[in-house]
Parts: sequence; structure tokens; C-alpha cells
Amino acid sequence: DAKTTQPNSMESNEEEPVHLPCNHSTISGTDYIHWYRQLPSQGPEYVIHGLTSNVNNRMASLAIAEDRKSSTLILHRATLRDAAVYYCILSQVVYGGSHGNLIFGKGTKLSVKP
Amino acid sequence: NAGVTQTPKFRVLKTGQSMTLLCAQDMNHEYMYWYRQDPGMGLRLIHYSVGEGTTAKGEVPDGYNVSRLKKQNFLLGLESAAPSQTSVYFCASSYSLGSQPQHFGDGTRLSIL
Repeated sequence: DAKTTQPNSMESNEEEPVHLPCNHSTISGTDYIHWYRQLPSQGPEYVIHGLTSNVNNRMASLAIAEDRKSSTLILHRATLRDAAVYYCILSQVVYGGSHGNLIFGKGTKLSVKP
Repeated sequence: NAGVTQTPKFRVLKTGQSMTLLCAQDMNHEYMYWYRQDPGMGLRLIHYSVGEGTTAKGEVPDGYNVSRLKKQNFLLGLESAAPSQTSVYFCASSYSLGSQPQHFGDGTRLSIL
């Protein structure tokens, strides 16, 4: 299964943009790039996902490198509620009964300072 | 819309006891998953199901069994609990494989003494 590499921790100031990097040099053509976040004592929460093109939604933006070997999650204005562990995950679409499961690493712990 | 609901939220067991964790989803998703998360770690897949009546092993299946008798429910069983199974268990569901997000429950915190 393809793996991702993320910094262990990052800090941000409230109301400033945050760029969370992720390297996935062994990504295959069928791998989707997913981002989830997990607040303390809660289950992971879906943030955004994409395949090749940059993606935007109400929570964040996902910038995908042209060679797809890296991506960046962008929080446009960090709030205190954005403090969480952020997971960058590759999810395969494999047909014929396989599961497309998510391989979680340790993620990036984001701290937001007021 | 409840999404994914897990019961119970907390449980303490003695070594050798058995129990069943229940996961229910109301989104009509075909795919359901059970993960465990140990302190300071990411989630690891235990078992999953690609539809009613089907189950398959994930990364760490030993010591667990599952059943998917109804599309909306996915049960995780521990036949003889061991201290190594102390963990937080998360259930998830998704509409399709890989290309759609998984929706997670809030977890079950299980302690085995």
C-alpha cells in the first residue's frame, strides 16, 4: 500500500492561512488523495479529497502537484476549532472485491494560537 | 441525520469475557469498516464489508469476528477479550470504494483488565 509522509506537528496563528504538506512519492494512478482530521476524543472527520486537479470545498482547498507526488491542504483562515491531527491518506480504487481502505499514518498535529 | 452511530461508547471488560460492538449507519452505504486506534497511532483496519452478507479481513483481524446481516448494521465481536485489545474502536461507512469519503462514528473506548 502506498504511504504518505507528513510533518509531526505544525503551529499557526488564528485567522492566518495554514499549508499542511504531504509527500506521497509512490502514489499510483488510481490512488485518490484524502484528507481527514481528528479532534481529541472524536472520530476522524472528512475534510477533502481529489485525484489530479486542485479541489475546493467549504472547509479547505487541496493543491495537488502536477506529478501527484505531493499535495498541500490549505486552511484559508485558521480558527481555534481547526486544532486537530490532520491525516493525509491515499485510497485506492481497486475493483473485484477489494476495499479501498484508508491507510492512516500518524498525521500532523496542528496547533492554533490565538 | 444521525450518520454513523456506535454503541456502547465506553466499556470495561475482564480478560476472557466476550462482547459485541454495534455500528449503525443511516446513509444507505454499501461499504462498512471497523478500525482500532491505539494511543498516539493512526487507525488500523480490522475487518470490512462490501455489502450485506459479506465480510473480509483487514490489516489486524486476529481475535475479532464481524457480521453484516443487515445493510445498515455492522457488528464487531470479541470472543475472548485480551488486554492487547484495549483500544478505541471506530466504525466507518462509505458509498463506494476509494473515490468517496468514509464517514466515521465517534468511537467506542474499550478497556480490558
